[in-house]
Amino acid sequence: EPEVTQTPSHQVTQMGQEVILRCVPISNHLYFYWYRQILGQKVEFLVSFYNNEISEKSEIFDDQFSVERPDGSNFTLKIRSTKLEDSAMYFCASSEGIMGGLEETQYFGPGTRLLVL
Amino acid sequence: GQNIDQPTEMTATEGAIVQINCTYQTSGFNGLFWYQQHAGEAPTFLSYNVLDGLEEKGRFSSFLSRSKGYSYLLLKELQMKDSASYLCAAYLGAGSYQLTFGKGTKLSVIP
Repeated sequence: EPEVTQTPSHQVTQMGQEVILRCVPISNHLYFYWYRQILGQKVEFLVSFYNNEISEKSEIFDDQFSVERPDGSNFTLKIRSTKLEDSAMYFCASSEGIMGGLEETQYFGPGTRLLVL
Repeated sequence: GQNIDQPTEMTATEGAIVQINCTYQTSGFNGLFWYQQHAGEAPTFLSYNVLDGLEEKGRFSSFLSRSKGYSYLLLKELQMKDSASYLCAAYLGAGSYQLTFGKGTKLSVIP
């Protein structure tokens, strides 16, 4: 069964450093997302991406964050200068479409646990 | 703002039936998802309701009432492996592609 994959599974970084989290969405999916989950809290939307551009972003997704689809398979989230409060589990998700029915279902990757020291 | 409420924790016995409720108040609405999340793992898709009524899928069923802003997830014949958090998420639609999640209900299944 196709699945979303993410690397690395864990990342430890120093405050102020840049990190890049990588995702490979399901191959026939067209819509890609990043979410985060701070330990013990709810899953929060960061950004959605379609047709090589950002479709929607939340207040969390400030100028320190960027996303990119550098090739036909990868989807990346970059945090330019990490802060302590960026420590969280980051989930990538993808969906086939958005126009109704089960094609809107977002499938999540296993996550990258980011720890900022 | 968006508001999705579900109970924080529930406990049920192996073999029993449990119902996890979710109420939502959102600026738009185009469907309700339920996900299962084991500790430290990704949410995995369980069910999706866009129309009023009951959707059944094996041991899991989900119900939606759009007029009441209410959904529930019903788990039958509980197994120990069903111990997990269950996340209710609203899909707003109408140009918004994000899922808005509730805080999740942590279900503990006991022997």
